[in-house]
Amino acid sequence: DIVMTQSPDSLAVSLGERATINCKSSQSVLYNSDNKNYFAWYQQKPGQPPKLLISWASTRESGVPDRFSGSGSGTDFSLTITSLQAEDVAVYYCQQYFSTPRTFGQGTKVEIK
Amino acid sequence: QVHLVQSGAEVKNPGASVKVSCKASGYIFTDSYIHWVRQAPGQGLEWMGWINPNSGGTNYKQKFQGRVTMTTDTSISAAYMELNRLRSDDTAVYYCAKGPEYSSLAYWGQGSLVTVSS
Repeated sequence: DIVMTQSPDSLAVSLGERATINCKSSQSVLYNSDNKNYFAWYQQKPGQPPKLLISWASTRESGVPDRFSGSGSGTDFSLTITSLQAEDVAVYYCQQYFSTPRTFGQGTKVEIK
Repeated sequence: QVHLVQSGAEVKNPGASVKVSCKASGYIFTDSYIHWVRQAPGQGLEWMGWINPNSGGTNYKQKFQGRVTMTTDTSISAAYMELNRLRSDDTAVYYCAKGPEYSSLAYWGQGSLVTVSS
């Protein structure tokens, strides 16, 4: 199984400041034949299902604010929130869909400082 | 628009079985896989497997092999996840989600809480 490891487990950021979450996979999720990273980021607020933010490592879903951006390739990925808003308080998960079983990171809790 | 509506909360005794349903609307049901993901209280997300409604083919996480059965009823655009021989550590919110076989999960059900307790 591909192990996804996020860092940090939690972070507190002031409103308007930048938040960066990292995710490392135990093996590459870059598929050479199409040069795509089979990797996604989700946001989950209490009592709600996860919400897809970013697919293919860097493609923002429709309706997701442009302060959210994804980067990285192969085994190392990042999610950046450029100007944290109060509504961004949530747990964020990375996921690989390169192989089965699909696996998620352990989650990163983002709070307001 | 796409909707996935799941069945309600259940309380089960250890050793029993539970069957969670997921009713889909707003898209062609057989065009997309249904994945099942669970989340224990205060914990992260765990993928359990998927079913292809078009073929009935399944892919289960090895951990659940022999205990889980995923099915669909294409006549009513519904998917089901049955988990047998329940244990206390199966207490979780169970989500269905839709997506192609090799893609992220853009649409999720609201979740079904299954509590296993004597």
